[in-house]
Amino acid sequence: AQTVTQSQPEMSVQEAETVTLSCTYDTSESDYYLFWYKQPPSRQMILVIRQEAYKQQNATENRFSVNFQKAAKSFSLKISDSQLGDAAMYFCAYSSYLTGTASKLTFGTGTRLQVTL
Amino acid sequence: DAGVIQSPRHEVTEMGQEVTLRCKPISGHDYLFWYRQTMMRGLELLIYFNNNVPIDDSGMPEDRFSAKMPNASFSTLKIQPSEPRDSAVYFCASTVGYTYNEQFFGPGTRLTVL
Repeated sequence: AQTVTQSQPEMSVQEAETVTLSCTYDTSESDYYLFWYKQPPSRQMILVIRQEAYKQQNATENRFSVNFQKAAKSFSLKISDSQLGDAAMYFCAYSSYLTGTASKLTFGTGTRLQVTL
Repeated sequence: DAGVIQSPRHEVTEMGQEVTLRCKPISGHDYLFWYRQTMMRGLELLIYFNNNVPIDDSGMPEDRFSAKMPNASFSTLKIQPSEPRDSAVYFCASTVGYTYNEQFFGPGTRLTVL
């Protein structure tokens, strides 16, 4: 079974600064997907960024980027130019890659990000 | 598209009562997932469906929990009888099987069992 570990329960960053959230995972599969979801106080789960394991290039979405290290099974999220609206719980998630089908998400325990002025 | 719709948003009930949570997935999505979020256990999958058929219900905690998907646009999660330890936020999510598995989540139902 796959596991996802987020070792930082809480992080804090000043507005306009950069912060990196850590995630490691354990799997015996060679193909899979990794995700970062954001859960603001409204509790709505919002996809921030995704990475396909077969792609070597790190994914980027505006101010959000990942550092995907497949051999180390590490998938960190970097938030640049942090904004107050980035304050939320961030979950790292894993799903298997199954051709033509979907599979469940396995979540980490989350990192609560505070953004200060 | 309105996104994934869940009802009710909040539910407060007494121990022993039956609770039914409802979900409408995004039109055209052929997968539907039910997740539960608690402080102790985090986010965990309960069950998921493909084309209205249950695929994996290994996360359903016990026989008090049941889920149905009578058609492509509606699913229910029922707890009978409810217990205080069932208090949690229940999320429904949907996706399309041939994509990269991005799952779209509903707003969740916060269940409190007294």
